[in-house]
Amino acid sequence: DADVTQTPRNRITKTGKRIMLECSQTKGHDRMYWYRQDPGLGLRLIYYSFDVKDINKGEISDGYSVSRQAQAKFSLSLESAIPNQTALYFCATRDSRSYEQYFGPGTRLTVT
Amino acid sequence: GQNIDQPTEMTATEGAIVQINCTYQTSGFNGLFWYQQHAGEAPTFLSYNVLDGLEEKGRFSSFLSRSKGYSYLLLKELQMKDSASYLCAVRDHTGKLIFGQGTTLQVKP
Repeated sequence: DADVTQTPRNRITKTGKRIMLECSQTKGHDRMYWYRQDPGLGLRLIYYSFDVKDINKGEISDGYSVSRQAQAKFSLSLESAIPNQTALYFCATRDSRSYEQYFGPGTRLTVT
Repeated sequence: GQNIDQPTEMTATEGAIVQINCTYQTSGFNGLFWYQQHAGEAPTFLSYNVLDGLEEKGRFSSFLSRSKGYSYLLLKELQMKDSASYLCAVRDHTGKLIFGQGTTLQVKP
């Protein structure tokens, strides 16, 4: 089984809809991250969490919100989706004692 | 501001050596990472440099010069499966990773 899982893997939604992307991990890591990836722009940080009670905005948090329901779960919400939120979204985890981030398989989101 | 530059695309021949460069200007420096990403897949960790010098790991090596804000990833004995994007990322003073736009490497027979 994969250590970091994301659901759904693919989603097409309409402008104005609310959508939630979920991330779960079995690595026991305390730190979790949400990134989006757009062609030519690389990975950009949306939100990150160092533990259940610690949520921080990243580089591009506008239009997004997150919830850390448990150490193993970190969800990303788009309250009212817009077409320029069409992107590939990655969740990542890291142990505070290590330097390496582990990425989930990604969610491809299309907003029409 | 934060800025990480790497070439957009590179092409190399199977069996050859290729060097992918990365220059950076960030608010603080706590290490430089290289990730490999095949199309449509998750990035996977390749290397980490925090001190100046060369780190070798099999066919892949990574070099860092902190004074120059410069790193490179060296891939030897290229294989077709090495066709992928290579992402340079710097950990800044807050611990966050700042990514470059990635270099797409195409390996040709």
